[in-house]
This record gives sequence, C-alpha cells and structure tokens, in this order.
Amino acid sequence: ETGVTQSPTHLIKTRGQQVTLRCSSQSGHNTVSWYQQALGQGPQFIFQYYREEENGRGNFPPRFSGLQFPNYSSELNVNALELDDSALYLCASSLRDGGDEQFFGPGTRLTVL
Amino acid sequence: EDQVTQSPEALRLQEGESSSLNCSYTVSGLRGLFWYRQDPGKGPEFLFTLYSAGEEKEKERLKATLTKKESFLHITAPKPEDSATYLCAVRGASYGKLTFGQGTILTVHP
Repeated sequence: ETGVTQSPTHLIKTRGQQVTLRCSSQSGHNTVSWYQQALGQGPQFIFQYYREEENGRGNFPPRFSGLQFPNYSSELNVNALELDDSALYLCASSLRDGGDEQFFGPGTRLTVL
Repeated sequence: EDQVTQSPEALRLQEGESSSLNCSYTVSGLRGLFWYRQDPGKGPEFLFTLYSAGEEKEKERLKATLTKKESFLHITAPKPEDSATYLCAVRGASYGKLTFGQGTILTVHP
C-alpha cells in the first residue's frame, strides 16, 4: 500500500510569485484535503477535494486554489505569494465513504522571501 | 466555530514517568475526535479516532479517552522515542474539515 506523497519537499519563492504544490493520495483513497501549518501551530484547513470538486473551504483567500485529477491526485496553487504564506503545507487523503481518518503526507516546506 | 485547546503546551518527563495530555473542545455536532503524533519536519501520523463520550482506545503505551468536553491522551511508562508533538483535532458538521489544537510538545528524557 502506497502512502501519501508530496512534492517538492522544500521550495523557496519571492513575494508576488506563484507556486504549485502536488500530492498523490494513498492507494484507494478518493478525497484529498490541504492544510497550512505555521511554525509552532496546529494545521489549518485550506480546502478539500472529492470527485474533482471543492468540497469545503477554510478561511483562506481566493488566491489559494486547487485541483483534483481523475486519479485522485491533487494540486494546491497559491498566487501573489505573501511573506505570511511561509509554512509547511500538508496534504491528507481519506476514503469519504469508508471512515473519517485522514492520513497525511510528509508536507512541503514553503519559504517566501 | 469549532475550537480545540491543548494543554500543557510542553511537557518534559523522565523515562517511565506516566502522565496525561489534555484536549478541550467545542464543536457543533461532534463527528470524531482525532489524535495524531508529529515528529519535527514531518507530517502528522494518525493514532486514534474517538466518536462518543466514554469511548477509549489503546495502542502500546498510549490510551485515549473521551468525554463530552475533553479528551485525554494517557502515556504509560514513556520512552525517549515517544518524544514528539501530539495533536488533537475534531470534525464537526463541516464534512472533511479537521480543526486542530496547537499541540503538546512531549519530551521524554532517558
């Protein structure tokens, strides 16, 4: 069974740039959620994708957007990067009709300079 | 709005010294309380799900319990490898959204 994978591991961008982060869900899972984790804080929910559609969104501006593909992998796009966007971005996969547990990937560390 | 508060923020134990971590929550229609372990620079690792007051789950040296307002993670005879940040999260009416606490940093000294 393959776990959740994310790429890249680390990323450095400058303010105003755009970034795309990628996630492959765990084998058999059809739902992907994205979280932002600032240093010393718990993860904060950005949004969730199910069947290629956004299925719930947290308190994040529209410059945070996402996609889910037919193979259930997902992308998180952030436009017009700000310094406060520096964080660990976590992807979690789950099986919508099979339980509530979300399994997390290793994360992508984004630094905005 | 769902809220989760964890205490203490940090806990230092000697190897073998049992203790408990607390997670207080307010949620509209609890649909699950989750415990995760997170090592530095890594993603959270799933530990337990609890659904109703009175429920208990165990895994090795860890035991999670749930009441209507809080959950406890009991650590019995901890070892240095139990050192990590322990995160508590709740799922309420909003499907899929987990609301996390800020975590408890546990350090176990040999």
